[in-house]
Amino acid sequence: GDSVTQMEGPVTLSEEAFLTINCTYTATGYPSLFWYVQYPGEGLQLLLKATKADDKGSNKGFEATYRKETTSFHLEKGSVQVSDSAVYFCALSSSFGANSKLTFGKGITLSVRP
Amino acid sequence: GAVVSQHPSRVICKSGTSVKIECRSLDFQATTMFWYRQFPKQSLMLMATSNEGSKATYEQGVEKDKFLINHASLTLSTLTVTSAHPEDSSFYICSAFTPLGDTQYFGPGTRLTVL
Repeated sequence: GDSVTQMEGPVTLSEEAFLTINCTYTATGYPSLFWYVQYPGEGLQLLLKATKADDKGSNKGFEATYRKETTSFHLEKGSVQVSDSAVYFCALSSSFGANSKLTFGKGITLSVRP
Repeated sequence: GAVVSQHPSRVICKSGTSVKIECRSLDFQATTMFWYRQFPKQSLMLMATSNEGSKATYEQGVEKDKFLINHASLTLSTLTVTSAHPEDSSFYICSAFTPLGDTQYFGPGTRLTVL
């Protein structure tokens, strides 16, 4: 079945540091890939997505590229801010439309120090 | 963006009682909603898919008689944990697709503690 593996956390960085959060996946066919973020006390929010190989999703300075050859979707940001402190989930969906089921990784907590 | 709310945000109940959790799409109609369960330091596990006007579709291993799902309108789905026990204590999260069906929006979650 489908699965998503995220690097172990938590991750603590200083402000303006470079961020990489690894994500690899196993799926049949050609899944869509997502990064969701959960800020303290809030629900999950879609951060970015990519629907086919070599697509790059980007939002709020974060980027991730759909790498089919390595089955990866690593999240990067060049300079993190304290406000980026949150839990980040990598996810995939093997189907389309309103019945698409998401398979999540375990999530990783990012803490950014001033 | 689209907003999904959940109520209550936290609930504590005694073992053997039933608890109802509501999930509402506030500014859009959702024909499909999903219910997830999240254990500490674990990923979200899909429990069931809730379809408006029809029976929910449960994932393998989820007891449908214990976790009753009702999706009576296009903006409301409810999850009732029946005869709750301490092992049901968890964080329950719902989500809904917008009519375009391209993005899933999540509620803030409900923390259930069964004593």
